[in-house]
Amino acid sequence: QLVLTQSPSASASLGASVKLTCTLSSGHSSYAIAWHQQQPEKGPRYLMKLNSDGSHSKGDGIPDRFSGSSSGAERYLTISSLQSEDEADYYCQTWGTGSWVFGGGTKLTVL
Amino acid sequence: QVQLVQSGSELKKPGASVKVSCKASGYTFTSYAMNWVRQAPGQGLEWMGWINTNTGNPTYAQGFTGRFVFSLDTSVSTAYLQISSLKAEDTAVYYCARDGPAPADYWGQGTLVTVSS
Repeated sequence: QLVLTQSPSASASLGASVKLTCTLSSGHSSYAIAWHQQQPEKGPRYLMKLNSDGSHSKGDGIPDRFSGSSSGAERYLTISSLQSEDEADYYCQTWGTGSWVFGGGTKLTVL
Repeated sequence: QVQLVQSGSELKKPGASVKVSCKASGYTFTSYAMNWVRQAPGQGLEWMGWINTNTGNPTYAQGFTGRFVFSLDTSVSTAYLQISSLKAEDTAVYYCARDGPAPADYWGQGTLVTVSS
């Protein structure tokens, strides 16, 4: 079964970097994912599509501070030079035969 | 630029129906499928299913069969989500999301549906 696992929470200081993790279930380590950001009281916003080889394509207007990388079944979202507006929920998403799957989301707190 | 604009918040009584619209602009509507995603209060994102904007053929995720109907009006580049026999547990924000060159590359702003007597 295709499942995405995310830590419920993360925190980092203003101006620092943070790396969020999304883990694909066993047997699905070759799958690409997408990362989405949901700021408080707003709808989700597409950040990037991230392939298993670490290559990624970002959405319109997404700052260079956001980058993605991959290792095995792990998919990462790194945010550098953290700003207050980066405090948000971050969801990973993947897709199978005609269906989408979302991870449970990570709530990022900027200290 | 690509935009998905959804209809406004709805307050409905249990047993009623609701129809949420998602109007697309900035691209050829029939080029990409449209998906629907639910977010219950304080919860994560839950995929409801998708509709083929060429054929109008819908696909529903488990748990979203029977009372949920996806439809289109391609003449106005609009996708619809209709929910019938509303229950309190249908209270949620409903999003449309385009399945473009990347999945969910554009999202609507969300429509809050509140079911309360």
